[in-house]
Amino acid sequence: EDQVTQSPEALRLQEGESSSLNCSYTVSGLRGLFWYRQDPGKGPEFLFTLYSAGEEKEKERLKATLTKKESFLHITAPKPEDSATYLCAVQGSSSGSARQLTFGSGTQLTVLP
Amino acid sequence: EAQVTQNPRYLITVTGKKLTVTCSQNMNHEYMSWYRQDPGLGLRQIYYSMNVEVTDKGDVPEGYKVSRKEKRNFPLILESPSPNQTSLYFCASKSGAGELFFGEGSRLTVL
Repeated sequence: EDQVTQSPEALRLQEGESSSLNCSYTVSGLRGLFWYRQDPGKGPEFLFTLYSAGEEKEKERLKATLTKKESFLHITAPKPEDSATYLCAVQGSSSGSARQLTFGSGTQLTVLP
Repeated sequence: EAQVTQNPRYLITVTGKKLTVTCSQNMNHEYMSWYRQDPGLGLRQIYYSMNVEVTDKGDVPEGYKVSRKEKRNFPLILESPSPNQTSLYFCASKSGAGELFFGEGSRLTVL
């Protein structure tokens, strides 16, 4: 069974204070690891897909990296508008998980001005 | 504009009163799915559909039904809602690249 654990559950940063969010996973044959952003009262919004260890992707102040056991979402010089819940999800290659994503519980990020 | 549309956005109902949450997507995606989101439990998949007339159970299907008669629509049916189905529900469709596009969510309260 695929599992995803995100840490910390909540993170408060001052504006400009860089940090990282962690996503640890176990999956039989990783087909993809996904990061989403969710604002209060909204549906999750896609950020990145990572497919293999060593891969990195960037978007504005966000950078996602992937190893064989975990992924990090690095936030550089965050701004208050980066405040949101960040969700990690994996898709494995077994017959069941190939059809669905397994989500973590998310990290709630608050960036204070 | 590419979007997934859910209705209603908010609903308060009573135990046992059948209800349907509609979901429609305009991106011609074959894959659609329903999730529920509860504090501390994250997003859990209820049902998914790989294409028209093809549906399958997710992780928490008990108490729910779905149908996929048309490619764009994937309604979620609660035949006899119970209080433990009080939750925030999301419909999603998936692109060929594997990206999920979510609706705005439907907050359901069952009294």
